[in-house]
Amino acid sequence: GEQVEQLPSILRVQEGSSASINCSYEDSASNYFPWYKQEPGENPKLIIDIRSNMERKQIQELIVLLDKKAKRFSLHITDTQPGDSAMYFCAASFDSGGSNYKLTFGKGTLLTVTP
Amino acid sequence: EAAVTQSPRSKVAVTGGKVTLSCHQTNNHDYMYWYRQDTGHGLRLIHYSYVADSTEKGDIPDGYKASRPSQENFSLILELASLSQTAVYFCASRNSGNTLYFGEGSRLIVV
Repeated sequence: GEQVEQLPSILRVQEGSSASINCSYEDSASNYFPWYKQEPGENPKLIIDIRSNMERKQIQELIVLLDKKAKRFSLHITDTQPGDSAMYFCAASFDSGGSNYKLTFGKGTLLTVTP
Repeated sequence: EAAVTQSPRSKVAVTGGKVTLSCHQTNNHDYMYWYRQDTGHGLRLIHYSYVADSTEKGDIPDGYKASRPSQENFSLILELASLSQTAVYFCASRNSGNTLYFGEGSRLIVV
């Protein structure tokens, strides 16, 4: 099955700076790459995603880049705020429209934004 | 707002005992999933289901069974709980756009 590697596992940045999280995947057939944010004591929630027909997607301060050749994708948070402190998970999946759909997550990045 | 509810939210179980974690969704989603979360391992898929009365093995199914009696309900069963199954368990349902909606989690401690 798919394997997703996520780095770094811990990231500490100063408020107002940028934070970057990198993920790589193994299955070249994977075509959907979401990012989930989990705040302490909460459940994971989707914050942004990108499909294989795109190379870049931005929602406000969140930017996702996808390099299909290298099988890598990344999340960039610009102008970080203390509220961005959380666990972030990348994930990958292959959606064929069939009945065997599953999402494989990376191990997570714990982001801390310091004032 | 999508709604996935889990019960119990917290449980202490004895080694060798049986544990059932329940999940109920009101999203009318076909797909449901059980993940476990451990520090250093992220979210790992245990079982999933895309239709009632049918379940599929995920990446770490050993020691777990699943049951999907209806579209709304999906249970995770530990027949013989072990210390290594201490974790937080998340249920999720998936919409047609591939977004997973997670429940609030069930914290299981096996002693």
